[in-house]
Amino acid sequence: KQEVTQIPAALSVPEGENLVLNCSFTDSAIYNLQWFRQDPGKGLTSLLLIQSSQREQTSGRLNASLDKSSGRSTLYIAASQPGDSATYLCAVRGAGSYQLTFGKGTKLSVIP
Amino acid sequence: SAVISQKPSRDICQRGTSLTIQCQVDSQVTMMFWYRQQPGQSLTLIATANQGSEATYESGFVIDKFPISRPNLTFSTLTVSNMSPEDSSIYLCSVEFSDTQYFGPGTRLTVL
Repeated sequence: KQEVTQIPAALSVPEGENLVLNCSFTDSAIYNLQWFRQDPGKGLTSLLLIQSSQREQTSGRLNASLDKSSGRSTLYIAASQPGDSATYLCAVRGAGSYQLTFGKGTKLSVIP
Repeated sequence: SAVISQKPSRDICQRGTSLTIQCQVDSQVTMMFWYRQQPGQSLTLIATANQGSEATYESGFVIDKFPISRPNLTFSTLTVSNMSPEDSSIYLCSVEFSDTQYFGPGTRLTVL
């Protein structure tokens, strides 16, 4: 059974700092990995999707990497802003399945 | 991408009653997914709903407790039956386009 772990559970940084969020998964037989942000009272917003054959994806100030063999992914946020404050979720889709297995998330606070 | 709406956005219900949550998508999709997010926990898949067939439930979830309808390719409902306080959660529907999953804003349910 796939298990997804996100470290740290919470993170507080001053505005402008670069930061890294970590995600690890136990079963390397994945189809893809997706990073989301969740804002209070709102649903999930898809940030980046990395296919199992890819090493990284970039969108603006966000960069996600994937090391499937070691079961790890990182989300790098450059020049953080207060608007980046949210909970970031990592989700893995298993090979041959549509089900996403989620981590518990990292709650990020960017202090002005 | 997809735009997903859910009704109601939140509700407070009494123990023993039932609540039906609606999910509407702006495009036709084959599969729709229902997730639950209990307080402080990660998202867990309840079931997958295909149009024209019975929903497929994940381990720990049963049709009598969470009946699902899928009358057409843009709409689905999830009913939470005979509710107890343990059913207090956020319920989210999602769809997939080009390997990316998109989520609705969620329904926050509180059972007293």
